[in-house]
Amino acid sequence: QVQLVESGGGVVQPGGSLRLSCAASGFTFRNYGMHWVRQAPGKGLEWVTFIQSDGFNTYYADSVKGRFTISRDNTKNTLDLQMNSLRGEDTAVYYCASDIMTPFDYWGQGALVTVSS
Amino acid sequence: DVVMTQSPLSLPVTLGQPASISCRSSQSLVYSDGNTYLNWFQQRPGQSPRRLIYKVSNRDSGVPDRFSGSGSGTDFTLKISRVEAEDVGVYYCMQATDWPPFTFGPGTKVDIK
Repeated sequence: QVQLVESGGGVVQPGGSLRLSCAASGFTFRNYGMHWVRQAPGKGLEWVTFIQSDGFNTYYADSVKGRFTISRDNTKNTLDLQMNSLRGEDTAVYYCASDIMTPFDYWGQGALVTVSS
Repeated sequence: DVVMTQSPLSLPVTLGQPASISCRSSQSLVYSDGNTYLNWFQQRPGQSPRRLIYKVSNRDSGVPDRFSGSGSGTDFTLKISRVEAEDVGVYYCMQATDWPPFTFGPGTKVDIK
């Protein structure tokens, strides 16, 4: 069965960096696009970034463009999110989600990122 | 960007009674391939989002048939035929037709009266 497991969350100071990972299993990872979606405390869902299956095409929300970088390792079945220049408004649970059959079909359990001094 | 709106934002329901959530997009969600990429997600308290419906009316595997999706163009509806206690949570519509960005509605909180 499809499993997506995020890791790497934690507390970071404003201006700092953090790297999230999503370990994928139960499907042929290299064939499918992947997303990161976030949810600030008590708020709704916000799409963050998307990477196509081959890793060459990436897309970002304006709110993170130039600060966040999505990448993937199709040999290790992992998806990463490098987050730099973090701000308080980046505090959220970050979910990875897949496009196996159709967009956003499977989601992980989420990783909490708290940006605070 | 496509703006997604939902109504109501809060929906108290009686167990066993039907419920309906409306979702509207700021532009047509019909893609050039003829498909309409409108999804519905459920997020129970303390859990990750779970997709219920894709392409307007297709139920995901394991989703009870009391959930149904309908609509076209810019107007869409999620219906629960008979609400059960496990249906409490927040429901989001989301468009995947015109991206980036992919955009979500603000969410509708469903709870029991």
